[in-house]
Amino acid sequence: DIQMTQSPSSLSASVGDRVTITCRASQGISTYLAWFQQKPGKAPKSLIYSASSLQSGVPSKFSGSGSGTDFTLTISSLQPEDFATYYCQQYNSYPLTFGGGTKVEIK
Amino acid sequence: QVQLVQSGAEVKKPGASVKVSCKASGYTFTGYYMHWVRQAPGQGLEWMGWIDPNSGGTNYAQKFQGRVTMTRDTSISTAYMDLRGLRSDDTAMYYCARARTGDIFDYWGQGTLVTVSS
Repeated sequence: DIQMTQSPSSLSASVGDRVTITCRASQGISTYLAWFQQKPGKAPKSLIYSASSLQSGVPSKFSGSGSGTDFTLTISSLQPEDFATYYCQQYNSYPLTFGGGTKVEIK
Repeated sequence: QVQLVQSGAEVKKPGASVKVSCKASGYTFTGYYMHWVRQAPGQGLEWMGWIDPNSGGTNYAQKFQGRVTMTRDTSISTAYMDLRGLRSDDTAMYYCARARTGDIFDYWGQGTLVTVSS
């Protein structure tokens, strides 16, 4: 199974900050990488697929990059509605696997 | 608009089975795979498998092989996930998620909480 490791596991940031979250795969996955946002008590929301493509309706303040084993999710200017937990997921091979999550909290 | 509406919360005893439903609307049900993902309390996301609503074909995570069955009823655009031999560590929120070609998740159901307790 491909292991997905996210860092940091949590971070504190202020409104307006630029935030970057890292995801590393235990083996190369090309760009078969997705990012999800989950708020407390809610279902995950799909943000990015193919490492850098935004899902329909997702604001452009979210961006993704990377290929192979190293990926990043960047939020250009953090807003109150962006405080949540973010997960990466690989869909290069089965079983599909998720990172452990990064909780973005208010500083 | 695409909607996935799941069945309500369940409380089950150890050893029992649970069947969770996921009713799709706003798109052609047979045109997209349906995946199931679970999340234990305070934990991360765990993929369980998918069903192709068109053919009924399935692919289950090895961890759940022999305990899970995914089915569908195309007449009512509903997918089902049946988990048997429930244990306390099966207590989790269970989500269905629609996937475009290539296992790209786009829409999620609201989740169904399954609690396993004696």
